[in-house]
Amino acid sequence: DTGVSQDPRHKITKRGQNVTFRCDPISEHNRLYWYRQTLGQGPEFLTYFQNEAQLEKSRLLSDRFSAERPKGSFSTLEIQRTEQGDSAMYLCASSFGAGSGDTQYFGPGTRLTVL
Amino acid sequence: KNEVEQSPQNLTAQEGEFITINCSYSVGISALHWMQQHPGGGIVSLFMLSSGKKKHGRLIATINIQEKHSSLHITASHPRDSAVYICAVIRGSQGNLIFGKGTKLSVKP
Repeated sequence: DTGVSQDPRHKITKRGQNVTFRCDPISEHNRLYWYRQTLGQGPEFLTYFQNEAQLEKSRLLSDRFSAERPKGSFSTLEIQRTEQGDSAMYLCASSFGAGSGDTQYFGPGTRLTVL
Repeated sequence: KNEVEQSPQNLTAQEGEFITINCSYSVGISALHWMQQHPGGGIVSLFMLSSGKKKHGRLIATINIQEKHSSLHITASHPRDSAVYICAVIRGSQGNLIFGKGTKLSVKP
């Protein structure tokens, strides 16, 4: 247990539905990252926050995806009008510091299945 | 071509064997991570390197910045080492990781 939690751990939804995932980072960590991992592939970067500010978004993050970190603590990732291609493991990670070399601690992930 | 390439993709070894997993990258980086991922998703950071060599128990990681190459070695491998090992790099000051596809290691007793 790294101290980063994600909820839910599994989500099955029908195509077209909206889903929201939550990530609770380690409490003193100021950076929070979202990644997506499909079967047999390494994770891919989606977006990251420093405190409450969303500093970067990948081009993978289409307009159906939105992420928030309203108080600089927990974060939510929402997918609207889900598609079968959204099926993946969504991973959250957090780190402390302002440098690029800080260790990221990963949560257990939320596995999304879109039917 | 992926910015981070790992080899081999799959590796089967007998308990006790010395194992090497390789990672090559094509971009300028500020640091490189080796991570371990067990079935079910959990990723654990093993090493973060920006130069030279690090050792932790039976694990050794090296990096050659000029050649843009890193290796992860496992000495005296054990079935509990079976996992996916992932190389990831940090490009510049962004902080977000660029991952390789991972190497699936299976150590047989």
